[in-house]
Amino acid sequence: KAGVTQTPRYLIKTRGQQVTLSCSPISGHRSVSWYQQTPGQGLQFLFEYFSETQRNKGNFPGRFSGRQFSNSRSEMNVSTLELGDSALYLCASSFFDSNTGELFFGEGSRLTVL
Amino acid sequence: SQQGEEDPQALSIQEGENATMNCSYKTSINNLQWYRQNSGRGLVHLILIRSNEREKHSGRLRVTLDTSKKSSSLLITASRAADTASYFCATDAGVDMRFGAGTRLTVKP
Repeated sequence: KAGVTQTPRYLIKTRGQQVTLSCSPISGHRSVSWYQQTPGQGLQFLFEYFSETQRNKGNFPGRFSGRQFSNSRSEMNVSTLELGDSALYLCASSFFDSNTGELFFGEGSRLTVL
Repeated sequence: SQQGEEDPQALSIQEGENATMNCSYKTSINNLQWYRQNSGRGLVHLILIRSNEREKHSGRLRVTLDTSKKSSSLLITASRAADTASYFCATDAGVDMRFGAGTRLTVKP
């Protein structure tokens, strides 16, 4: 069974640009959660999608958005990038809602904003 | 915002010793989970303990939960160099899972 796949693994952008990150969950999983990890703030919850609906959203500005497709694959988008958006973005999938069982994480997408 | 807080922030031990990490959280929970992260990689689930459980074992891992004190501990027995990683507790903040800042464990060979 394939694990959670995140693409791209590494990317470099400049301030003001936008970026789209992709996450393919484990087959059969309907929930996809996104987290931002930085040395200073740790793991911060961005949002969760379940069956194409945003179930919850963390405390991030509107520049951060996401969506989920009918095949459960998810994308997140960050517009008007800022230096502080440099981080490891982690995606996690689960069969049920994210707060009821084990989360399976991808290897992350490391974003560097110059 | 983070729900759990791990203590200590960093821990360094010799191979063969036991490692204990603690997690405190703020609100009532349904379950608490522990995850491991090797440097710059994704998180790996270690163990889940439900609010009606007090202790759980998995191999060399032992987790305890005290809901009255809103705290949990993770014990790794007979540590190995391969256990070097960051360890995070995660609690369900009602709707989603929130993670603490983590404990950085270094096991010296």
